[in-house]
Amino acid sequence: QVQLKESGPGLVQPSQTLSLTCTVSGFSLTSNSVSWVRQPPGKGLEWMGAIWSGGSTDYNSALKSRLSISRDTSKSQVFLKMNSLQTEDTAIYFCTSRGGYWGQGVMVTVSS
Amino acid sequence: DIQMTQSPASLSASLGETVTIECLASEDIYSNLAWYQQKPGKSPQLLIYYANSLNDGVPSRFSGSGSGTQYSLKINSLQSEDVSIYFCQQNYDSPPTFGAGTKLELK
Repeated sequence: QVQLKESGPGLVQPSQTLSLTCTVSGFSLTSNSVSWVRQPPGKGLEWMGAIWSGGSTDYNSALKSRLSISRDTSKSQVFLKMNSLQTEDTAIYFCTSRGGYWGQGVMVTVSS
Repeated sequence: DIQMTQSPASLSASLGETVTIECLASEDIYSNLAWYQQKPGKSPQLLIYYANSLNDGVPSRFSGSGSGTQYSLKINSLQSEDVSIYFCQQNYDSPPTFGAGTKLELK
């Protein structure tokens, strides 16, 4: 069955770079897209960006200058990198795939 | 970006009641609308896709309707396990955007 699982550091210092990994199973990255969505504590959902089945990417314009999404199809992994983190980037970060599948999310706190 | 205005922000209802949550898109999204349920500490779960298609395993008391810019989620015969936050999402245009959410509580 389709599963997604996020992993990465729980704490990042301000101005540093966040690196997250989404490991998927039950489908191939070459046949389905993966998106990243984040949710600040107690707030709503924000789509960050996606990597499509063909490997091209699409980003939320509000984050585009700081965000990069890539993948390793052989390892069934999708990567998110976002630089210049600030406290307002504190959120739960989810990866999702078409069909409404979501990972459990990873809480990232930006603090010194 | 397409704006999704969701209402109400919160809702209190009794067991067995029927509740309706609405989403208004800032432009026509041609039924490319999904509804999610999110329980505390959990990831969102897809309830409805393409405005009115029930996702596998979702109870039939949930239904979606609408077209153009106006969409709604209806929950018939409210159950205790339906206490959650509900979000709409448009996926007609990039970036996909979400409504602010509706917090459903029991009266």
